Amino acid sequence: GENVEQHPSTLSVQEGDSAVIKCTYSDSASNYFPWYKQELGKRPQLIIDIRSNVGEKKDQRIAVTLNKTAKHFSLHITETQPEDSAVYFCAAMFQGAQKLVFGQGTRLTINP
Amino acid sequence: SAVISQKPSRDICQRGTSLTIQCQVDSQVTMMFWYRQQPGQSLTLIATANQGSEATYESGFVIDKFPISRPNLTFSTLTVSNMSPEDSSIYLCSVTGAAGELFFGEGSRLTVL
Repeated sequence: GENVEQHPSTLSVQEGDSAVIKCTYSDSASNYFPWYKQELGKRPQLIIDIRSNVGEKKDQRIAVTLNKTAKHFSLHITETQPEDSAVYFCAAMFQGAQKLVFGQGTRLTINP
Repeated sequence: SAVISQKPSRDICQRGTSLTIQCQVDSQVTMMFWYRQQPGQSLTLIATANQGSEATYESGFVIDKFPISRPNLTFSTLTVSNMSPEDSSIYLCSVTGAAGELFFGEGSRLTVL
């Protein structure tokens, strides 16, 4: 079925260190993988996305990598800052149903 | 990205009542999506609403409980019917952008007593 697994569920890192969140998906035909950041009491905000024709995409301190063969993708945040503290969700577009399925979320805490 | 407005932003409701959430977009969109986010949980798609046709519901969601209207290309409503405390959630309207990315409204936080 349509499934996205996300790990870890919680992550705590020291300010300035890097954070990595990983997701796997079940549909080999999926071709679009966005990441969302949700701060407390706010809506999810798209922070970066990647399509299946590329293996890596960067935007300043954040990057996403995609391994289509293994059906997993990861979010990398470097030089973490306190404002990076939030819940992060990965998602995958399931082609047959044309819908976005979300992972379970990772609560990232940046310790000063 | 589209500007998506939802109302109410929050409400406290009594068990057994129904509440209709409105979603207004500042541009015409073909598909609108309704998601539910239960406390501390991820986002789950309730249904996809296309203008001029019946909404398509995901497994576990039915039209009698979550009727949806889509009268035009900029507006949709979701009704949560005969509410119980288990329906306490954030309900989010969303639309896709030009590149297929998904954008969310501010959400409607429902508390059912």
